[in-house]
Amino acid sequence: ETGVTQSPTHLIKTRGQQVTLRCSSQSGHNTVSWYQQALGQGPQFIFQYYREEENGRGNFPPRFSGLQFPNYSSELNVNALELDDSALYLCASSLAGRSYNEQFFGPGTRLTVL
Amino acid sequence: AQTVTQSQPEMSVQEAETVTLSCTYDTSESDYYLFWYKQPPSRQMILVIRQEAYKQQNATENRFSVNFQKAAKSFSLKISDSQLGDAAMYFCAYRSAGGANSKLTFGKGITLSVRP
Repeated sequence: ETGVTQSPTHLIKTRGQQVTLRCSSQSGHNTVSWYQQALGQGPQFIFQYYREEENGRGNFPPRFSGLQFPNYSSELNVNALELDDSALYLCASSLAGRSYNEQFFGPGTRLTVL
Repeated sequence: AQTVTQSQPEMSVQEAETVTLSCTYDTSESDYYLFWYKQPPSRQMILVIRQEAYKQQNATENRFSVNFQKAAKSFSLKISDSQLGDAAMYFCAYRSAGGANSKLTFGKGITLSVRP
């Protein structure tokens, strides 16, 4: 069973640029959630995708957008990067449809905005 | 909106001793899940233990157990026989049971160090 993977591991961008982060779900999972974890803080929910549709969104501006593909992998896109976007971005996959569906986290992408 | 509070930023424990990590939460819902996650340095976040709000019995997983006080909205984690590998950041998290998605609301976390 393949776990959740994310790419790239680290990324450095400058303010105003755009970035795309990628996530491959654990085998058999159909739901992906994205979280932003600022240094020394807990993760904050960005949004969730289920069967290629956005299925809930946290308090993040529209310049944070996402996609989920038919194979359930996912992308997080951030436009017009700001310094405060510097953080660890985590994705988590799960299998919807059960009464309880554990989320399995990837190792994260560390984004630095200069 | 639900909130999760972890007021202790750091704790330290001697190897083989017991430590308790505190967490409080606020919600108007009656059915939900509570979790403790472990995030080792530069490693993936993993689930340590979960508690269903409708269950009165406290969850236990080997050396890890919780003290769930629903009326007080308190959810503490007890680690028995602490090991060096327990050193990590620990997050308390909340999830609605009936929501349309499985959004987790996390606390700020607590850094646990284990002294040899």
